[in-house]
Order: sequence, then structure tokens, then C-alpha cells
Amino acid sequence: NAGVTQTPKFQVLKTGQSMTLQCAQDMNHEYMSWYRQDPGMGLRLIHYSVGAGITDQGEVPNGYNVSRSTTEDFPLRLLSAAPSQTSVYFCASSSTGPPGETQYFGPGTRLLVL
Amino acid sequence: GQSLEQPSEVTAVEGAIVQINCTYQTSGFYGLSWYQQHDGGAPTFLSYNALDGLEETGRFSSFLSRSDSYGYLLLQELQMKDSASYFCAVGEDTGRRALTFGSGTRLQVQP
Repeated sequence: NAGVTQTPKFQVLKTGQSMTLQCAQDMNHEYMSWYRQDPGMGLRLIHYSVGAGITDQGEVPNGYNVSRSTTEDFPLRLLSAAPSQTSVYFCASSSTGPPGETQYFGPGTRLLVL
Repeated sequence: GQSLEQPSEVTAVEGAIVQINCTYQTSGFYGLSWYQQHDGGAPTFLSYNALDGLEETGRFSSFLSRSDSYGYLLLQELQMKDSASYFCAVGEDTGRRALTFGSGTRLQVQP
């Protein structure tokens, strides 16, 4: 199993550009989520999904869109990138999701918005 | 809402024992988790407590007191590879399927 994979590993964007961060898992997990991590800080939840076709907002959803058309994939879209979105983005998955279950994290995408 | 507090940095020597504390305020507490993150890496799960008491997993133990809204991670027989950031995270008992993370404790293990 590859686990949770994320692409790209690094990305540089200009302000106003859009892009999609990809996340895929091969563990047949129903729950998937996106976090951002700023330097010296913990992870903040952006969006999550409890199954295909079902998404919900996390703590910091503004400026981001998600959709879940398959169990395996959970892409994160930045509609119009801003410097404040410079961060490291982690995707995570688990069988049924929090609160009582281990989250498996992908390797992260490092995003720089100029 | 949820808020968690943990020390920003802890330093210890190889072979020693270190305790990382976490206090939390939540609107609906379900359980306390601990994650480890090495520089440049992804968080990895260490331990989870839903009930009061101590959970032991090898050199790592985690403790929870729900009445005090407090928990800690105990690392024994410290090794250089334990140098990393450690995050506590709370799950909610509100139907919202989310984890809220603390800002992390950076552990430096010295020879």
C-alpha cells in the first residue's frame, strides 16, 4: 500500500493564480481531511469529508474548495492564491475519522505564494 | 470552540525521561491524541486516551485526567531520534468529525 499520497511536493504560485493540490489514499478510508501548518504552529483543519459526496468545513475554510467524487481522492482547490496561503498542506485519512481514530498523514505539499 | 496549551520547547539528555504536558478547553471532549513530527516530515500517531489513566506503548506513555482537562506524554529512555515536535490533539463529542491540534512542543535531545 502506498498509504496517503500528495502531489505536488513543492509549488510556487503568484498571487491570484489558482491550483489544485492532489490527495489520494489506497486504504479504502471513508474519512479524509486537509490541514495547513504554518511555521512553528500546529495543524489547522481546512475541510474534511466523511465519504464520497460529503464534505464539511473545518476551522479555516476561506479561500479553499473541496469535492469528493471517489473514496480514494480528495483534491483541495485554491481559487485565487494569496500570500497568506503560503503554508505546508497535509492531507490525512482514516477509516471512520475522529474523534477516536488514528489519522494517517500524507507527506505534505509546500506552497509558496508570491 | 477548542483550545490547547502545551510548552513550546523542552530539552533533555539522552537516556533521560521527559514529560510534555497539555491542557485543553473544549465544548465537547471525546479524547486526547498525541502525534510526533520530525522536521520536514508528516505527523505520525503516537497515542490516544479516551478515559482517565495511563496508556503505555513501548517507551512512550500517555496520561489523561478528564476532570482536570489535562494530559501528558511521557517519553522514557530518550534517544537522539526522539528529537522532534510533539502535538496534542482533541477530538470533539459534538458530531463534528474534526481534530484540533495544539501548537506543538519541540523536544531537543542532547547527548
